[in-house]
Amino acid sequence: DVKVTQSSRYLVKRTGEKVFLECVQDMDHENMFWYRQDPGLGLRLIYFSYDVKMKEKGDIPEGYSVSREKKERFSLILESASTNQTSMYLCASTSIEGSFFQYFGPGTRLTVT
Amino acid sequence: AQSVAQPEDQVNVAEGNPLTVKCTYSVSGNPYLFWYVQYPNRGLQFLLKYITGDNLVKGSYGFEAEFNKSQTSFHLKKPSALVSDSALYFCAVRDLGDYKLSFGAGTTVTVRA
Repeated sequence: DVKVTQSSRYLVKRTGEKVFLECVQDMDHENMFWYRQDPGLGLRLIYFSYDVKMKEKGDIPEGYSVSREKKERFSLILESASTNQTSMYLCASTSIEGSFFQYFGPGTRLTVT
Repeated sequence: AQSVAQPEDQVNVAEGNPLTVKCTYSVSGNPYLFWYVQYPNRGLQFLLKYITGDNLVKGSYGFEAEFNKSQTSFHLKKPSALVSDSALYFCAVRDLGDYKLSFGAGTTVTVRA
């Protein structure tokens, strides 16, 4: 059974802290994605990666960075957390072949106080 | 650019009645279309997809969707709704040759007993 896991389900951080969100997939997928989900806005793409050490900005990259040192792991970094980054963060992965749909992790609900 | 619109924030139906969740899309080429469902405090679960072929697509949990190219729509349907179908539903589109999905804002479905 395919699996995308995220390091935390709930996270509370203080303004200005550096925050790491980790995502791991066990499907040998090439592409990995980070989204944030906010009520009424749906899912918005922050960054994605199509290969190890490769990344591209999504629609809302400001305030975020990413790291992909290994194929199975994609990290989202908030360099200096702010209250407007309080949100649900979802990681996804997909193969470049086959059915094209994205497998999602369970999400991390981040609260910045 | 690709985009998705879900014109209804909420859909309320009685158990046993038909359920329809609307979605329209915009892409420059041929679309790949998806429906996902999200239960409270969970990640997104894949329901069904349209890539090519038959315009009526059948998916998980008794859901189906109809691709209508002339109306650029991909409405999700279920003939007889269950209380357990109450959730948040997202439509997504991907343009040929693009890794990225664009999501709608989501529609909250409430099925009353």
